[in-house]
Amino acid sequence: GAVVSQHPSWVICKSGTSVKIECRSLDFQATTMFWYRQFPKQSLMLMATSNEGSKATYEQGVEKDKFLINHASLTLSTLTVTSAHPEDSSFYICSARDGTSGGKEQYFGPGTRLTVT
Amino acid sequence: SQQGEEDPQALSIQEGENATMNCSYKTSINNLQWYRQNSGRGLVHLILIRSNEREKHSGRLRVTLDTSKKSSSLLITASRAADTASYFCATDAGGKLIFGQGTELSVKP
Repeated sequence: GAVVSQHPSWVICKSGTSVKIECRSLDFQATTMFWYRQFPKQSLMLMATSNEGSKATYEQGVEKDKFLINHASLTLSTLTVTSAHPEDSSFYICSARDGTSGGKEQYFGPGTRLTVT
Repeated sequence: SQQGEEDPQALSIQEGENATMNCSYKTSINNLQWYRQNSGRGLVHLILIRSNEREKHSGRLRVTLDTSKKSSSLLITASRAADTASYFCATDAGGKLIFGQGTELSVKP
């Protein structure tokens, strides 16, 4: 089956620093990737949709200058949390859609737990 | 934005019993999907039902979809302790998945 990896699986950073999270599709080409955020005991909230080679589309209320998304290749998307603050501490999950198969299913990464101190 | 609402928010049952979770949504959809998430872990895709389907089975899972009522249900039969997890419905309307609030299922041995 299609596999999506995320790196790192967890990260602790100090307030004011930036953190980059990678999302990779390992055995398929992901023309579209999605980034979600999940706070404890809550559901996944879609942050943005990224298409390879173009700018990401952000959901309402998500600051694009704070959450920088780059989808430079068909197998890699990155999310950079800039000037992180404790309220950015969350579980960040990416997903990828296999563009070549035309399928509807999204394949989810295992998530990255970010703690900002 | 949150599309779906699920009920109950939490469900506690004994092993062997059936568990039913409901999901309601607001807009037209292409398909509806159900996912499981163990505590602090990633999502596991369970089943996808298309908007022109009414019922789908996969092992001990049975999903129904009523597009006139904009609702879906997930039935897990003969539950096991290993089914303990959070379950989310997600609607696909225009290419992106919007998740419901989730149901936290606890199956006691």
